[in-house]
Amino acid sequence: GAVVSQHPSRVICKSGTSVKIECRSLDFQATTMFWYRQFPKQSLMLMATSNEGSKATYEQGVEKDKFLINHASLTLSTLTVTSAHPEDSSFYICSVAGLMNTEAFFGQGTRLTVV
Amino acid sequence: DAKTTQPPSMDCAEGRAANLPCNHSTISGNEYVYWYRQIHSQGPQYIIHGLKNNETNEMASLIITEDRKSSTLILPHATLRDTAVYYCIVMEYGNKLVFGAGTILRVKS
Repeated sequence: GAVVSQHPSRVICKSGTSVKIECRSLDFQATTMFWYRQFPKQSLMLMATSNEGSKATYEQGVEKDKFLINHASLTLSTLTVTSAHPEDSSFYICSVAGLMNTEAFFGQGTRLTVV
Repeated sequence: DAKTTQPPSMDCAEGRAANLPCNHSTISGNEYVYWYRQIHSQGPQYIIHGLKNNETNEMASLIITEDRKSSTLILPHATLRDTAVYYCIVMEYGNKLVFGAGTILRVKS
């Protein structure tokens, strides 16, 4: 399967600052990437679909001005959590749709803690 | 909303087969049955998927009933490293994955 690399794996930031998370597709060009968020003891919640060269599509209830997504190349999508607050502390995970869109491959996740 | 129903948790003895059920009574003709798992604090891992025929790969087997309203994921010889949350998802190719609550599988020695 595809290799998806997410960076950083852990980050602690101060309230009010912004944090950028990178998601890279290492072995093929990905036109579509997905961003998820997972709170403790809960399932993954889809935040947005990131399309290379166009604006991301956000799920209902997800603030696009707070969670900025940039998919500037076929191998990189970034999620920036702007003006982070403690309630944004979560596990953020990206995924890449496979070549034939038959399955998705996930990064290892980023644990964000806002203090 | 997730279109599948799974038991919240299951236990399995190490070395035995783990059979994880999933109900998807409203599945449509173009939707596939996917299984992913998530080991604690990691991203989900793809296991297997199928449309109507049974499927097998190096990780697991997928048995889909003839009416496609339910399926079973089989891990033939469960190990402690198979302890994870297992997600059954129905989806058309190219669509986004929507996760439900999944089944916590605990493999015990």
